[in-house]
Amino acid sequence: GNSVTQMEGPVTLSEEAFLTINCTYTATGYPSLFWYVQYPGEGLQLLLKATKADDKGSNKGFEATYRKETTSFHLEKGSVQVSDSAVYFCALMDSNYQLIWGAGTKLIIKP
Amino acid sequence: GAGVSQSPSNKVTEKGKDVELRCDPISGHTALYWYRQSLGQGLEFLIYFQGNSAPDKSGLPSDRFSAERTGGSVSTLTIQRTQQEDSAVYLCASSSSGSTDTQYFGPGTRLTVL
Repeated sequence: GNSVTQMEGPVTLSEEAFLTINCTYTATGYPSLFWYVQYPGEGLQLLLKATKADDKGSNKGFEATYRKETTSFHLEKGSVQVSDSAVYFCALMDSNYQLIWGAGTKLIIKP
Repeated sequence: GAGVSQSPSNKVTEKGKDVELRCDPISGHTALYWYRQSLGQGLEFLIYFQGNSAPDKSGLPSDRFSAERTGGSVSTLTIQRTQQEDSAVYLCASSSSGSTDTQYFGPGTRLTVL
């Protein structure tokens, strides 16, 4: 079946550091891929998405590229801020339009 | 309203009681989804509505769970005879159609079963 695996957290970085959160998936076909973010005390928000291979999603300085060769959708940001502290979820959309989620990665940015 | 709303925001109930959770999707969105977020299981899909019909109920964990949607808008998730393992945050999302359109999430209902 379809599944998403993302790196375990928490990930702790200093402000202005480079961020990578790994995400790999298992699926039939080429599903749309998503990164959602959950800030403390808030609901899930879409961060970025990619709907086909080689697409790059980007938002708020974050980027992720849909790599079908490695079945990956790693999240990157060149210079993180304290305000980026949150839980990040990688997800794929299956053929029934439901989102299949990774376990989430908690990101802590220290000033 | 501008976004997906859910009520109540918090619900504490005793084991064995029934609870109803409500979701108001974004106006005009035809697709509606329920998910559950719990410590042990992470985020899980429960059910999906396209209009008032539910083509995919595969995620409902037991026959104690049911959901309906009326008028292509508001949805209610009902849990009968609640158990402690039902404690979780129940999330509702909507999208403009049942496709790869972005799903927009509500703030969730935190259910605690004592």
